[in-house]
Amino acid sequence: SQQGEEDPQALSIQEGENATMNCSYKTSINNLQWYRQNSGRGLVHLILIRSNEREKHSGRLRVTLDTSKKSSSLLITASRAADTASYFCATDGTSYGKLTFGQGTILTVHP
Amino acid sequence: GAGVSQTPSNKVTEKGKYVELRCDPISGHTALYWYRQSLGQGPEFLIYFQGTGAADDSGLPNDRFFAVRPEGSVSTLKIQRTERGDSAVYLCASTPGLAGDGDTQYFGPGTRLTVL
Repeated sequence: SQQGEEDPQALSIQEGENATMNCSYKTSINNLQWYRQNSGRGLVHLILIRSNEREKHSGRLRVTLDTSKKSSSLLITASRAADTASYFCATDGTSYGKLTFGQGTILTVHP
Repeated sequence: GAGVSQTPSNKVTEKGKYVELRCDPISGHTALYWYRQSLGQGPEFLIYFQGTGAADDSGLPNDRFFAVRPEGSVSTLKIQRTERGDSAVYLCASTPGLAGDGDTQYFGPGTRLTVL
């Protein structure tokens, strides 16, 4: 079963705008990761945030984690058409190494 | 360096047949994971290996599914008596250290299995 749930399910924006995706989860976690997937194939790791961290940055990405609310957000600033993809959050908490993914947010960035 | 590779990239089979899906992890990676992703869904965990042993196989849906990693490197996911519901993309991932260290999981491109 899917622990994480992403919101929104789909997001359509113009190039240059910011995109925010949210993820909620149900059980305690060790860390939370965000992945990107193009065309339903391999996943690319974007960023990992540990349970004792609240915010993390990587380039145009900003991730926040609120363990009291069991939620995380991924912000992509100054989006580009090449950012068009599906984005998944994944938690590692029920068993070491076993990632539990959400259903993903489909992001479309229009040039 | 080379990433995780999976073969074949696509596999079409008939209901009731046996299939094997292969995963070559990044050289030297200790842990290896299998996931299954149905259309429009996120990946779902199947099994992971720490070296040669299956450390957690709780995600395997039933006894038609089996996976091995005899030498601690390449892994094969085996599906017997395939059913149409087995159609999905099967993803493999590996990490350099022991599972649980919070390592990034590096994913392969997946094998798209279609059962007719």
